[in-house]
Amino acid sequence: DADVTQTPRNRITKTGKRIMLECSQTKGHDRMYWYRQDPGLGLRLIYYSFDVKDINKGEISDGYSVSRQAQAKFSLSLESAIPNQTALYFCATIHRGLNTEAFFGQGTRLTVV
Amino acid sequence: AQSVAQPEDQVNVAEGNPLTVKCTYSVSGNPYLFWYVQYPNRGLQFLLKYITGDNLVKGSYGFEAEFNKSQTSFHLKKPSALVSDSALYFCAVRDGSVSARQLTFGSGTQLTVLP
Repeated sequence: DADVTQTPRNRITKTGKRIMLECSQTKGHDRMYWYRQDPGLGLRLIYYSFDVKDINKGEISDGYSVSRQAQAKFSLSLESAIPNQTALYFCATIHRGLNTEAFFGQGTRLTVV
Repeated sequence: AQSVAQPEDQVNVAEGNPLTVKCTYSVSGNPYLFWYVQYPNRGLQFLLKYITGDNLVKGSYGFEAEFNKSQTSFHLKKPSALVSDSALYFCAVRDGSVSARQLTFGSGTQLTVLP
């Protein structure tokens, strides 16, 4: 089983619909992140969390919300999806130490039509 | 604010030739630098990192990177490229201060190794 699991892997949704992307991890890391990837723009940070009571906005949080249900689970919601939220979304986890690398899920490809 | 620049969207190199993928960074504190690789339809995989110490760091699959503080660069290198190295490469930086919380990525460089 993967250390960082994202569901669903692919989703097509209609404009205006609410959708939730889920991330769970078995690495025991306290830090979790949501990024979106767009061609030519790299990965941009949406939200991050250092524990269940510590949620922070990233550089592109508008139109998104998150929930840290437990140390191992971090969900990303689009309350009312719009076409420019079509992207590849990644969840990542990092151990507490500053010098540790991030571990990524396989990604969720979201298309808003 | 911290940032990463990857000036080349695309790098092409012939198999067997050396390759370099460029990265420059900006951070207020000490930089913690990372390289990741993404194969099609996959998540990002860690290649190597610089935290402190020797400026030349070695990582997975024969890759290495050189940290240059004066030029604020962290270029990825490999002495002899393989076709299987073709992928999307990302450089990332984190501020080494205790309060640093974000990991910032560059825009990515598509490496194509030609047979």
